[in-house]
Amino acid sequence: AQSVTQPDIHITVSEGASLELRCNYSYGATPYLFWYVQSPGQGLQLLLKYFSGDTLVQGIKGFEAEFKRSQSSFNLRKPSVHWSDAAEYFCAVASRNYGGSQGNLIFGKGTKLSVKP
Amino acid sequence: DAGVTQSPTHLIKTRGQQVTLRCSPKSGHDTVSWYQQALGQGPQFIFQYYEEEERQRGNFPDRFSGHQFPNYSSELNVNALLLGDSALYLCASSKGLVKTTQYFGPGTRLTVL
Repeated sequence: AQSVTQPDIHITVSEGASLELRCNYSYGATPYLFWYVQSPGQGLQLLLKYFSGDTLVQGIKGFEAEFKRSQSSFNLRKPSVHWSDAAEYFCAVASRNYGGSQGNLIFGKGTKLSVKP
Repeated sequence: DAGVTQSPTHLIKTRGQQVTLRCSPKSGHDTVSWYQQALGQGPQFIFQYYEEEERQRGNFPDRFSGHQFPNYSSELNVNALLLGDSALYLCASSKGLVKTTQYFGPGTRLTVL
């Protein structure tokens, strides 16, 4: 069965510092990969996605993620964090089914990001 | 361009009651998925509707049912509510079934007393 692991439950970084949030997945083949962000009490906003091609993916708000097949990872990075980035971040995967259709999203448990002034 | 909308925003019910949550997809989208997010957890997939049929279903009991209308909007129904059904219910819409991106609504916060 597919699964997603986000090893860090809570991370605190200083404003202006760099950020890396880890995501590892378990799946027999290369899945579709996503990062979403959720502010308290809100829905999820898509940051970026990977379907195929270039393994370094650029997203909104200055975020990027790198797909590493050998490590089954899709880590999220940002070179300089802003106070407004404080939120919860979710990594998700979707399977590539036979016939080309896409499976449902499977989410990790999330990483809460706090930003120190 | 309106995004995904959900109603109501908040809902309080008592055990044993039934509840209906509603979702309107983003313009141009024809697929609706529902997720349950318990406090402190990631969203869990409930089911997905496409062409008015349930395409995929997660590990949820039959108390959870849904419907998709010809205009692509959708309802989630939960019968015989349990305390454990208290959660944020998220609707996501997408276009088609291949290489799709799901866009989420703000959610409905359900509290079961």
